[in-house]
Amino acid sequence: DGGITQSPKYLFRKEGQNVTLSCEQNLNHDAMYWYRQDPGQGLRLIYYSQIVNDFQKGDIAEGYSVSREKKESFPLTVTSAQKNPTAFYLCASLGQSYSNQPQHFGDGTRLSIL
Amino acid sequence: GESVGLHLPTLSVQEGDNSIINCAYSNSASDYFIWYKQESGKGPQFIIDIRSNMDKRQGQRVTVLLNKTVKHLSLQIAATQPGDSAVYFCAEGYSYGGSQGNLIFGKGTKLSVKP
Repeated sequence: DGGITQSPKYLFRKEGQNVTLSCEQNLNHDAMYWYRQDPGQGLRLIYYSQIVNDFQKGDIAEGYSVSREKKESFPLTVTSAQKNPTAFYLCASLGQSYSNQPQHFGDGTRLSIL
Repeated sequence: GESVGLHLPTLSVQEGDNSIINCAYSNSASDYFIWYKQESGKGPQFIIDIRSNMDKRQGQRVTVLLNKTVKHLSLQIAATQPGDSAVYFCAEGYSYGGSQGNLIFGKGTKLSVKP
């Protein structure tokens, strides 16, 4: 089945630690996105990538980093500089870059602080 | 349980009734709109979309209405079922500035269906 796989489902971070969230898609989609969701809030864009080896900052990129070395993979690193990392993180993809179409979402990773 | 629905506007309906969920969007230049459904602990699922050259679009049991004059979007669900209980988000997109494909999400409404 085609889809977006996020792992792990739950992740715990210690103080001063960087953690990496995985996002893999087998939909052959060009664009990929990372969002952060806090309770009672909409989704806020962290980073996005319209094409391999290129990515752009979203609205809340500080304390995060990404890479897009392969079309199917868009990992997100939550660095120690992100002081409030506890949230639900969602990855999405879009079939054709620069097009208005529905984004497809994975089932998220919930990150908590130890 | 999951906390996606905390502090959200809540709509409570009886099973079998029709539901109407409203959304005010922010950008008058937005020309593409989507409704998503998010169940607890899961990612958003696409329900229906509409472009700004339309006022209404119908799907299976769902209708989206767009009023560009007042920047308002609504989702109507006919014969609401317990499986419709979830948080519903509207999102807007626009076709300029190199950000096509990016979406701006509303805060969401929690729909609770009473059996």
